[in-house]
Amino acid sequence: AQSVTQLGSHVSVSEGALVLLRCNYSSSVPPYLFWYVQYPNQGLQLLLKYTSAATLVKGINGFEAEFKKSETSFHLTKPSAHMSDAAEYFCAVIRHSGGYQKVTFGTGTKLQVIP
Amino acid sequence: GAVVSQHPSRVICKSGTSVKIECRSLDFQATTMFWYRQFPKKSLMLMATSNEGSKATYEQGVEKDKFLINHASLTLSTLTVTSAHPEDSSFYICSARARGGIEQYFGPGTRLTVT
Repeated sequence: AQSVTQLGSHVSVSEGALVLLRCNYSSSVPPYLFWYVQYPNQGLQLLLKYTSAATLVKGINGFEAEFKKSETSFHLTKPSAHMSDAAEYFCAVIRHSGGYQKVTFGTGTKLQVIP
Repeated sequence: GAVVSQHPSRVICKSGTSVKIECRSLDFQATTMFWYRQFPKKSLMLMATSNEGSKATYEQGVEKDKFLINHASLTLSTLTVTSAHPEDSSFYICSARARGGIEQYFGPGTRLTVT
């Protein structure tokens, strides 16, 4: 079984401030972890992914995330928030074995950037 | 990068009619496609997984006779909502995965409104 918990359904930060979106996972096998961003009425865009290589993963738009096995966490960060970062962010864990794949999404965190 | 399209982006239909949504992988062969449903302010719920040339696997609680999925080619999957009801109104998102790949590439979504 696998699950994803995103702490905080809404996060507000000032423009230029640090962005920290939290994600904790549980998985019975080594996980593949993803962060996606969704703008209103659009699909999901991949920000970054962890697939058992480097634990610090850099993504698009200045975002990065660190896989911490001891804490079962994969928090998303960005040093300086931009107005265009306002969107909904989803953490996901993928169980992948041969041809079988199951994705479990977190409940999402809506990021508000205050000018 | 891999691009997935959906058509239509928005559709309004009358109660009792059927509506078909197309999902296409534009620049890669998608051996597996996934259909999700997203309720307002909610995360994505996996409806079904379809492998090219075989029957779709539906998640528990999803009516296979109501949500017909066809994956006839390596670049096209369709979701047909039959005898639509207002409660079927939702945002439907597809994703596609290439053979041997881990990452799912998401379409832009289709907003279905049943009146």
